[in-house]
Amino acid sequence: DQQVKQNSPSLSVQEGRISILNCDYTNSMFDYFLWYKKYPAEGPTFLISISSIKDKNEDGRFTVFLNKSAKHLSLHIVPSQPGDSAVYFCAANYNTDKLIFGTGTRLQVFP
Amino acid sequence: DSGVTQTPKHLITATGQRVTLRCSPRSGDLSVYWYQQSLDQGLQFLIQYYNGEERAKGNILERFSAQQFPDLHSELNLSSLELGDSALYFCASRSSGTDTQYFGPGTRLTVL
Repeated sequence: DQQVKQNSPSLSVQEGRISILNCDYTNSMFDYFLWYKKYPAEGPTFLISISSIKDKNEDGRFTVFLNKSAKHLSLHIVPSQPGDSAVYFCAANYNTDKLIFGTGTRLQVFP
Repeated sequence: DSGVTQTPKHLITATGQRVTLRCSPRSGDLSVYWYQQSLDQGLQFLIQYYNGEERAKGNILERFSAQQFPDLHSELNLSSLELGDSALYFCASRSSGTDTQYFGPGTRLTVL
């Protein structure tokens, strides 16, 4: 049972434009959500997180939106840069326990 | 650099063998988590330790075991290895009072 889903395996965006990565979840007990970025042969790097008591969190070019009623979150990257090209994973947890990861979306930012 | 270190970076071994993966968490972090990533899939939680004690278990096979030592480093032991155990194994640590886990660079295990 896939509790966290990233339905788009890949996304291609032009440099300078907005990248929107989506994530859906099924477990209403999740109270904390995170986005990680992963380059090949490296570990996931923490990007940004959001608590379930908020609906938006912003950090520089990265903004995460949470829609609890739809059980949906999204990561916006504005403006997109070539160095943003990587695989992005969303993850969720509750009670500060294990993270449940989505399968990832490969973002490619082209000039 | 997340502050989490893992050794070795690469490991190649044969079926039936046993290996040990090592992880050192960020300074002061008491929680250590182990995850497995197979073939472009998402990361699957294996096991969590907190200050030397097992805290939570995920989809960890009986052939796998882990421990956390008094200096807080952790080891993941994989035995009777099978071809399907070939994967990336990541360790993460978390400080008390936060929800964010920081990941190490991983160990790529190849079972031939």
